[in-house]
Amino acid sequence: GAGVSQSPSNKVTEKGKDVELRCDPISGHTALYWYRQRLGQGLEFLIYFQGNSAPDKSGLPSDRFSAERTGESVSTLTIQRTQQEDSAVYLCASSLGGTSGSRDTQYFGPGTRLTVL
Amino acid sequence: AQKVTQAQTEISVVEKEDVTLDCVYETRDTTYYLFWYKQPPSGELVFLIRRNSFDEQNEISGRYSWNFQKSTSSFNFTITASQVVDSAVYFCALSAGGTSYGKLTFGQGTILTVHP
Repeated sequence: GAGVSQSPSNKVTEKGKDVELRCDPISGHTALYWYRQRLGQGLEFLIYFQGNSAPDKSGLPSDRFSAERTGESVSTLTIQRTQQEDSAVYLCASSLGGTSGSRDTQYFGPGTRLTVL
Repeated sequence: AQKVTQAQTEISVVEKEDVTLDCVYETRDTTYYLFWYKQPPSGELVFLIRRNSFDEQNEISGRYSWNFQKSTSSFNFTITASQVVDSAVYFCALSAGGTSYGKLTFGQGTILTVHP
């Protein structure tokens, strides 16, 4: 079946502009995660959705970052007033969720490479 | 707090050599899960293996094998007879059992380059 998809694959924006990144999870996966990967670094957790709710937003770096999920499917990560330090690859992952807990295996999308000039 | 350390930033080998990627983790939870992911140049993370904290049996899958040792908090990954297609960044990750979901803590990754 189809994997996790993300769009756009690349986004170049000017400092101060807002951007929206989209994630389409694997069908039937109720859990969805956003991570950020800075150049040469590991992945940093941003936010977790179970269904349309976000019980853990602890990784969002500032109030310029927000995310929503609708229909227990598509999620959008929005970055307002982008800064150069926001430049990174933003990765989305989905998993079965529910009662699977920490044993859940996450499947990742290809990421969106964001460059803020 | 959880922590994963991959001490090797970069490894370079010649094809057919065996190579081991080290991973050391820290957690106070007694139930946890360890993962390895591969990130080829295309950028998409590919799931390789999941191991739970109660199962210390080593696992082999083709040329890949994993050695889990709770006594040293390590979960090392060995590629036997490496191939050029194994060139990628490899990440070790940890998901702790104290939560109801699987937030992953990643290591910094090891860049593996296999030369022909």
